[in-house]
Amino acid sequence: GDSVTQMEGPVTLSEEAFLTINCTYTATGYPSLFWYVQYPGEGLQLLLKATKADDKGSNKGFEATYRKETTSFHLEKGSVQVSDSAVYFCALGAYNQGGKLIFGQGTELSVKP
Amino acid sequence: DVKVTQSSRYLVKRTGEKVFLECVQDMDHENMFWYRQDPGLGLRLIYFSYDVKMKEKGDIPEGYSVSREKKERFSLILESASTNQTSMYLCASRNSGSNTEAFFGQGTRLTVV
Repeated sequence: GDSVTQMEGPVTLSEEAFLTINCTYTATGYPSLFWYVQYPGEGLQLLLKATKADDKGSNKGFEATYRKETTSFHLEKGSVQVSDSAVYFCALGAYNQGGKLIFGQGTELSVKP
Repeated sequence: DVKVTQSSRYLVKRTGEKVFLECVQDMDHENMFWYRQDPGLGLRLIYFSYDVKMKEKGDIPEGYSVSREKKERFSLILESASTNQTSMYLCASRNSGSNTEAFFGQGTRLTVV
């Protein structure tokens, strides 16, 4: 069945470091891909999305490119800030899943000053 | 501003109590979801509903039931609370279609003592 695999955390970086969080997926057909972020004590909110191959989603300095050939949707940011400390979830949505989104297990990011 | 509202941020209940967690959305979404979130386990789907009075089991439905009598409201019921149901519970809603985003409530931190 459809699934999403994220790199395990926690990831600890210094401020202004480059961030990559890996996400790969398994799906039939052509899913849409999402990154969600969860700040401490809050629910999840959409960070960015891409709906077809080679699309690039971007928001708040974060980017991710939908790579069909490698079934990946890695999250990147050129210079992280302390305020980026959060848990990041990769997810996919597919027509054969009805209304469900399939989530990865989440990656905790901690950015130190 | 679109909203998914969960009735409580924090709840403390006793073992054996019947517990109701309420969720309301104002976006006229067909699909609503209940997840639980535990450290190291990511998000796990308990139940979801794709229409009024319609429901499907998720990955971990044991010990839970749900009710959706109106489109905007989705309730999670713990028939007899147990300590292993201490967790963060997240409600979400989403329109159908693979490229639509899900909106999350702020979460309910339930402690069963």
